[in-house]
Amino acid sequence: TAGITQAPTSQILAAGRSMTLRCTQDMRHNAMYWYRQDLGLGLRLIHYSNTAGTTGKGEVPDGYSVSRANTDDFPLTLASAVPSQTSVYFCASSDTDRDVGSYTFGSGTRLTVV
Amino acid sequence: AQSVTQLDSQVPVFEEAPVELRCNYSSSVSVYLFWYVQYPNQGLQLLLKYLSGSTLVESINGFEAEFNKSQTSFHLRKPSVHISDTAEYFCAVRESGGYNKLIFGAGTRLAVHP
Repeated sequence: TAGITQAPTSQILAAGRSMTLRCTQDMRHNAMYWYRQDLGLGLRLIHYSNTAGTTGKGEVPDGYSVSRANTDDFPLTLASAVPSQTSVYFCASSDTDRDVGSYTFGSGTRLTVV
Repeated sequence: AQSVTQLDSQVPVFEEAPVELRCNYSSSVSVYLFWYVQYPNQGLQLLLKYLSGSTLVESINGFEAEFNKSQTSFHLRKPSVHISDTAEYFCAVRESGGYNKLIFGAGTRLAVHP
């Protein structure tokens, strides 16, 4: 089934450790996004990429980095995790040329930083 | 910058009753508007969107939303809800001429009771 694959599904991480959340899409969408979802705050954009080789900062980029080496993969890295990064992380993609605003979301990664 | 306010964090309703989920946005430029739905333990799915043209847009499962520019609103309605409509609903906005970045509201949890 075409879509977005996120891994891992969930993770418990010790504070200070690093971690990479993986995101892969098979739809050849040009744009990809990382959001975090927190109760009462909805989804907040962390980083985005409009095309392979380019990235940009969203609303809450501090403590996170991304790369977009090719069209399909958009990993999110936490260099030194802190408890405030406990959240559910969603990766999304869109074809900005063909379908305005229609994002395809992955199933999420639930991260707990202790 | 755009922002989205969803006026109700939770909306309880009985099955077959009508429902309205309220959404107001703020933007200094023209916008596109969206409603996404999130079922338990899943990612978000596009429910409907307003890009241009008719201000009343409909989804395939009976929801509708009306764009009201003067009131900067995009409320979601359904005349008769089902148990299966229980989910979290997110309103989102993006600039019509800007990058394809969605800004989401905090979400409204719709709970349909028998």
